[in-house]
Amino acid sequence: GAVVSQHPSWVICKSGTSVKIECRSLDFQATTMFWYRQFPKQSLMLMATSNEGSKATYEQGVEKDKFLINHASLTLSTLTVTSAHPEDSSFYICSAWIGGSSPLHFGNGTRLTVT
Amino acid sequence: RKEVEQDPGPFNVPEGATVAFNCTYSNSASQSFFWYRQDCRKEPKLLMSVYSSGNEDGRFTAQLNRASQYISLLIRDSKLSDSATYLCVVPSGGSYIPTFGRGTSLIVHP
Repeated sequence: GAVVSQHPSWVICKSGTSVKIECRSLDFQATTMFWYRQFPKQSLMLMATSNEGSKATYEQGVEKDKFLINHASLTLSTLTVTSAHPEDSSFYICSAWIGGSSPLHFGNGTRLTVT
Repeated sequence: RKEVEQDPGPFNVPEGATVAFNCTYSNSASQSFFWYRQDCRKEPKLLMSVYSSGNEDGRFTAQLNRASQYISLLIRDSKLSDSATYLCVVPSGGSYIPTFGRGTSLIVHP
């Protein structure tokens, strides 16, 4: 149980295009979903916290107009990287949280390469 | 003090060694704690949950010290395949959002 599906697993796009990443909890409803970014040899960095039906809360330094988060339901959150640039190339990971004392459940991650 | 702190390492140990990592946290009201393992270029995977004083699963033992506000992860008889980054997660802040430490890197060598 507690499976989180993240799609796509990898994407290569040209500079200036937008990329949408989906995160779905398949067998449970998630109160909250988190989006992270990880550059090579660095720690996981929280980008934003999203709750169903409300605006996402972005961490300091993360541009909300560039990284659009939509949390349409208790099982789906999407991250859109708008007007992607090579410096946005990174490993993006989502996690879903039921709440309370439950652990985080992670998607498999999306490796984004912007050329 | 940061909400969740870990020694980044790396811890470089031979096969068969016993190694322990600590993770300190600032929210004394936290009730649940987790250790995750992250391999290079992969997502973190849940290793152990700690809800009371500790938990043991095979070669892995997690212990909680509420008085000193830290959790530890002990790995006995290290294997090469244990090489990874180990992340602790502690609910933090008023909403008890699961918060990661920066991770501890373990390298097990032959």
